[in-house]
Amino acid sequence: AQKITQTQPGMFVQEKEAVTLDCTYDTSDPSYGLFWYKQPSSGEMIFLIYQGSYDQQNATEGRYSLNFQKARKSANLVISASQLGDSAMYFCAMRPQGAGYALNFGKGTSLLVTP
Amino acid sequence: EAGVAQSPRYKIIEKRQSVAFWCNPISGHATLYWYQQILGQGPKLLIQFQNNGVVDDSQLPKDRFSAERLKGVDSTLKIQPAKLEDSAVYLCASSLGQTKVGKLFFGSGTQLSVL
Repeated sequence: AQKITQTQPGMFVQEKEAVTLDCTYDTSDPSYGLFWYKQPSSGEMIFLIYQGSYDQQNATEGRYSLNFQKARKSANLVISASQLGDSAMYFCAMRPQGAGYALNFGKGTSLLVTP
Repeated sequence: EAGVAQSPRYKIIEKRQSVAFWCNPISGHATLYWYQQILGQGPKLLIQFQNNGVVDDSQLPKDRFSAERLKGVDSTLKIQPAKLEDSAVYLCASSLGQTKVGKLFFGSGTQLSVL
């Protein structure tokens, strides 16, 4: 069984600052994938970034980077140079590596970017 | 490229009534998922289809929920009879299913209120 834990219900960050959203996980699968999704108030889940458990380097996608520490079972999302449009819910998710598996999601962190 | 389409966007019903949600995935996506997202929580998988076959329905309350995916394309999720605790956003997602990352693409969801 897989479990995702996001311990920060809400976070504030000032515009142009960096912010880290925490995610820890537990799994018995030897190979797995970690994902972050953004959910604005419109409701749609938007894919941000992916990290495979055997990837040698931490994933980066524009202003998003994933701080992956396998031994600590953490996959924190770092957003650099925050923008007002980054205000949303952020969900960490994981699934076993391979085709056909669904994502298991954490409870999410609400991020508010202030001017 | 068209995204995942869902309808209706909102639905209000009384308890014990029935309701149906429709989803059209991205063209060519073999895998389709229905998630339930209760306010303040992360999405929870209800059912996963691979083409028109069910891969995982272990968390689907089968006494009241049913889903089908005719011809491996569109899908319908039905609740009959609805309970107050079914109030949630119902998200449909699709994926190619055979890639390393296998990220999910989500629709905007159907927000259900059961009174």
